[in-house]
Parts: sequence; C-alpha cells; structure tokens
Amino acid sequence: GENVEQHPSTLSVQEGDSAVIKCTYSDSASNYFPWYKQELGKRPQLIIDIRSNVGEKKDQRIAVTLNKTAKHFSLHITETQPEDSAVYFCAASMGGADGLTFGKGTHLIIQP
Amino acid sequence: GAVVSQHPSRVICKSGTSVKIECRSLDFQATTMFWYRQFPKQSLMLMATSNEGSKATYEQGVEKDKFLINHASLTLSTLTVTSAHPEDSSFYICSARDSGGPDTQYFGPGTRLTVL
Repeated sequence: GENVEQHPSTLSVQEGDSAVIKCTYSDSASNYFPWYKQELGKRPQLIIDIRSNVGEKKDQRIAVTLNKTAKHFSLHITETQPEDSAVYFCAASMGGADGLTFGKGTHLIIQP
Repeated sequence: GAVVSQHPSRVICKSGTSVKIECRSLDFQATTMFWYRQFPKQSLMLMATSNEGSKATYEQGVEKDKFLINHASLTLSTLTVTSAHPEDSSFYICSARDSGGPDTQYFGPGTRLTVL
C-alpha cells in the first residue's frame, strides 16, 4: 500500500518568514495530494491540493509543488502569521473512492 | 457548502458497550464516505471506506466485526464500535466526497470516544 513520509515533525519560524514542509510518497499510482491544517481538537481543514498532472499550484500565501518523478511534494507558506500555527498533514491517494494515506504531521509554530 | 456533520461529538461509555457514530453530508450527496481514527498527537489512519448500498471496505488490521459500518443513504454513514474496550478510546473522524465533484474529502468534526 501507499506510504507517506513527512518532514519535519516540528517547525518553528519567525513571524513573517516562510515555512516549507516536505512529503514523499511510495505508490506511483497516487495522483491526488491534499494538504490539511488541523488545530487542536478540531477537524482537518483542506488548505490546498494538487493533482499529478500539475507541477505547482498557488493560493495567496500558500503554494504546493509536486515532483512526480521523484515522488515528492512540498507545502510552502510565505509571510507566516500567528494564526498559521497548527499541525499540517500531507496526504496521498489515487482519488475517487480511494481513501487518504496521511503523513505523520508537522507542528508549525510561528514565533512572534 | 460541503459541510459534514458528525454525532455525537463526545461519548463516554463503559467497557463492553456498543457505540454508534453518525456521519452526514449536509449539502451534497456522498456515494463514498471514509472513516479515520486519530490517537492523541498522531496522524489520521484510514479504517474503512463506506460505500452507499454495498459493503464497506476495511483496511488491513481493522476488524470488520468490531467496527460495523452502514451506508444506507447518500448522505448518511454510521460506524458502530461493538463491545468497546479502553484501547478503542480515540478520536474518530469521518470524511465524505461529493459524488458529483472532484476528489476533495470534507471532514466531519470528529467524535471523541472514551471507554472506561
């Protein structure tokens, strides 16, 4: 089955700086890669996703890049703000009726 | 749009009892819903895929007789934890995918199960 590795497990950055979280996946059949933000005790919220036919996608301060050959994808958050502090999860699936395989998560801490 | 509700939000029960959790898509139809489990400070683990009108598909290591799933309509899936034990205590979260939409999975708010 699919295996998703995520790094780092904890990331502390100064407010205003950029944050990058990286994930790798094992199954070349995976073609859908969402990123979720989860605050303590709350549901995961989709922040951005990308499909394998696209190399990069951007939404305001958030961007995701995908290298299908190397089987890795990354989340980039620019101009970080205190409200960006949360746990971020990457995931992979084949889309459709296939469930998500999640990475272990990154605890992002924005230092004021 | 794309709201998923889950009930109850929190349940405390005695060991040996069964607990039913409901997952509803409020403003879209979901042929497929998913059930995940999340232990404290850990990631989400897929337990099973719930398919409307057919049997659920369980992930390896998940006991289908212990975690009963029913997906009787396009907006409702239920997970019943049978004969719950303390090791079943966890955060159970469902997600649903819009049948007529892209691959996006929308998550419910989760159910915190504590088995005494």
